[in-house]
Amino acid sequence: DAGVIQSPRHEVTEMGQEVTLRCKPISGHNSLFWYRQTMMRGLELLIYFNNNVPIDDSGMPEDRFSAKMPNASFSTLKIQPSEPRDSAVYFCASTLLRVYSGELFFGEGSRLTVL
Amino acid sequence: KQEVTQIPAALSVPEGENLVLNCSFTDSAIYNLQWFRQDPGKGLTSLLLIQSSQREQTSGRLNASLDKSSGRSTLYIAASQPGDSATYLCAVTRDQTGANNLFFGTGTRLTVIP
Repeated sequence: DAGVIQSPRHEVTEMGQEVTLRCKPISGHNSLFWYRQTMMRGLELLIYFNNNVPIDDSGMPEDRFSAKMPNASFSTLKIQPSEPRDSAVYFCASTLLRVYSGELFFGEGSRLTVL
Repeated sequence: KQEVTQIPAALSVPEGENLVLNCSFTDSAIYNLQWFRQDPGKGLTSLLLIQSSQREQTSGRLNASLDKSSGRSTLYIAASQPGDSATYLCAVTRDQTGANNLFFGTGTRLTVIP
């Protein structure tokens, strides 16, 4: 398996622009997570999906952030409009969640820079 | 809210040395604890998972211990190698319902000097 695939790996954009980050989870996994990592705050869970349904989005910082999972093999995280404070590395992770085993598989991240 | 702390934030050791990384958490009511490795520019790789009923787990040169009552875990790396250089993060899960309860520490950046 190719693992969790994220795109783009790097994104530089200007404040106010829309940003869309994409994730393809590992085939067969039923849960998908979006995390944000910064030096100041470490890893923060933004939202997670179980069987394509958003279960907990309490970590989404504000209404400018939205996430979708239209099918089991694809998810997007959108920021509109983007702001410099959104600059971070965004990770997608997936797992097969029945009873949580802890085996989270992470993608390599999308590094976002908002100027 | 659960808080996870890792000290030191950075550590440099000469190759071949044994070392210990520390993780502490404020709420002892955890389901499990994991140690992850993160290489620069990469995602996280799970190293060891300790269930709350366990005291330790071993994988090769790595040994992780858990003292739930005192809110502490250690990751022991034997005979360190330059390839061990990475950031190591610990994370605790509050219950078995899902990873939305996964709380990460801020990590220890390890450098093993050849």
